[in-house]
Amino acid sequence: DSGVTQTPKHLITATGQRVTLRCSPRSGDLSVYWYQQSLDQGLQFLIHYYNGEERAKGNILERFSAQQFPDLHSELNLSSLELGDSALYFCASSGRGRGANVLTFGAGSRLTVL
Amino acid sequence: AQKITQTQPGMFVQEKEAVTLDCTYDTSDPSYGLFWYKQPSSGEMIFLIYQGSYDQQNATEGRYSLNFQKARKSANLVISASQLGDSAMYFCAMKGNFGNEKLTFGTGTRLTIIP
Repeated sequence: DSGVTQTPKHLITATGQRVTLRCSPRSGDLSVYWYQQSLDQGLQFLIHYYNGEERAKGNILERFSAQQFPDLHSELNLSSLELGDSALYFCASSGRGRGANVLTFGAGSRLTVL
Repeated sequence: AQKITQTQPGMFVQEKEAVTLDCTYDTSDPSYGLFWYKQPSSGEMIFLIYQGSYDQQNATEGRYSLNFQKARKSANLVISASQLGDSAMYFCAMKGNFGNEKLTFGTGTRLTIIP
């Protein structure tokens, strides 16, 4: 157990629907990162939050949004889902000092869009 | 922009042999970190080893060592005495400074250990 908790582990939904993926970082970690892993795109950085503030944005579609709450958990919202959104979505967290260097990943949320 | 290149899509290695997974990188950041992650078939991403760009010595973690050659911009992972459980995808990644703290990943190398 990495200490980063992601729910749900698996999710099957239809095109056009909306889903929310949830992430609880390791205790004490202020940074949360979201990544998408698909067969054709590899591991793609989506967005980074630090202590509730958006720090950096990557290849995140306009149909996707995220936020980090005061208790530091984060949610990734995916709307108007398309078949190509099927992927493994990872959340990762990092801490302070030297701990800020290493990202610890959750087990991922596997999204299947039918 | 940061870029990671892993040129070996797949490797087959005999059990108990050492294996080197190649990684080259490109960045304009003066300070950066290099990482290796392992992704077994179960899907989780497991941190293996970290090397800071200003670290004088190559990083080691148990059977893992990172062969860091800054002038060549390479950060190869060496696994000694390979085991069947080492069969997995291996990703090289790098992270920049403040404001560029995301991990940029390579395309990965699928390592298969043969008994």
